[in-house]
This record gives sequence, C-alpha cells and structure tokens, in this order.
Amino acid sequence: DGGITQSPKYLFRKEGQNVTLSCEQNLNHDAMYWYRQDPGQGLRLIYYSQIVNDFQKGDIAEGYSVSREKKESFPLTVTSAQKNPTAFYLCASSGGLAVYNEQFFGPGTRLTVL
Amino acid sequence: RKEVEQDPGPFNVPEGATVAFNCTYSNSASQSFFWYRQDCRKEPKLLMSVYSSGNEDGRFTAQLNRASQYISLLIRDSKLSDSATYLCVVNALYMDTGRRALTFGSGTRLQVQP
Repeated sequence: DGGITQSPKYLFRKEGQNVTLSCEQNLNHDAMYWYRQDPGQGLRLIYYSQIVNDFQKGDIAEGYSVSREKKESFPLTVTSAQKNPTAFYLCASSGGLAVYNEQFFGPGTRLTVL
Repeated sequence: RKEVEQDPGPFNVPEGATVAFNCTYSNSASQSFFWYRQDCRKEPKLLMSVYSSGNEDGRFTAQLNRASQYISLLIRDSKLSDSATYLCVVNALYMDTGRRALTFGSGTRLQVQP
C-alpha cells in the first residue's frame, strides 16, 4: 500500500531535550512538508523540501531542523530552542510544488513537553 | 487579517439537511483551491479540489468565486459520518519570496445530529 508513515504516534519530551520525528513515504513524491497544528488553529508550515538534499524554511522554522538525504525520508528535529513545542506535527508529500499538486498527509505525531 | 478565513462553527444540523460552508482568501495570486476533511485527532484528508467552473462529487459541491475571493462547499443529505472539521486550503505564489505554498484555514466544525 502506498502512503506516508510517521513515528512515533505519541512522544513525550523533557525540557531541554532534542527529539526527532520520523516521516517516510513510498508514493515516489518529490516534495515533502512538515506542519504544526495547535488546537483550534490551522496548519502552519515549518519546513519543506522539493528534492533530495534541498530544503527551505517555512513560516515557523525557528527551533526546528530537517534533513532530506533520501527521497523517501524527511525527518524533523525539534530542538531545545523551540520554546513551545507541544503540538500535533503532520508530515505531507506531493508530486511537486506545481499549482495543482494536492498534498497527502501522514497520521501525525503528538508531541508533549513534560 | 488571516490569509484564509473560515467560520469556526460548530454547525449543528440534523441528518438529511443541506449545509454550506464559505471561505474567503486574501491573496489574489492564489491559483488552486482545495477542501480537506479532518476528523478529531486525525490527519487532514483531501475531500476535493475546487475548479473555476465549480465541481461536484456525489453529495458534495464546491464553488469558486475569484472576483470576490471566496470558496464554498455544499453538503447535501448530511450523514452522521460527515461530522468532522472542514479545512479550506489555498495554494498561492508569494511574490516577495517566490515561494508557492498551501495556506490552511482554521476549519469549520460540522456536527450532524441523528
């Protein structure tokens, strides 16, 4: 089955720790994205990548880092510099950045800072 | 002003009712439009793309009015299973950065009552 997987589903972090969220897709999509969703709010773009070894900051990149070493994988690291990291994190992919390319989402990771 | 605005609801309707959601967007360079559905604590899933001429998929009809910069979603014969949050999504080119990105509304919650 083609799709996007994210792990873990739930993640608890202590203050001052870095954590890495996994995102893998087997849709052969070129573009991948990371979003953050807070209760009652829309999705906000953290980082995106159009091709392997290239990525760009989104609207709220501070305190986050990413890598894109393989087409299938786009992990997100939430660093200790992110002041309010508790949120629902969603990874998405699309065929590219063309106008009509819909994005498809993974099941998400809920991060809670203790 | 938010780039994509939606009435947060909730819209409480009986089964079988017809319900309409509107969404307005501020970026006149927006080029493609989508409706996503998001169930509680789940990832958004593409419901339908919105085309200039309007389009229909079963009980769902989407309309686009570029002149007034709004998009609508009509659901006929509501089912209990339609209960969810409906996200209006706009794909726009940001001239200052050259970046093309999806912008998500905060969503409109629908609750269909038996």
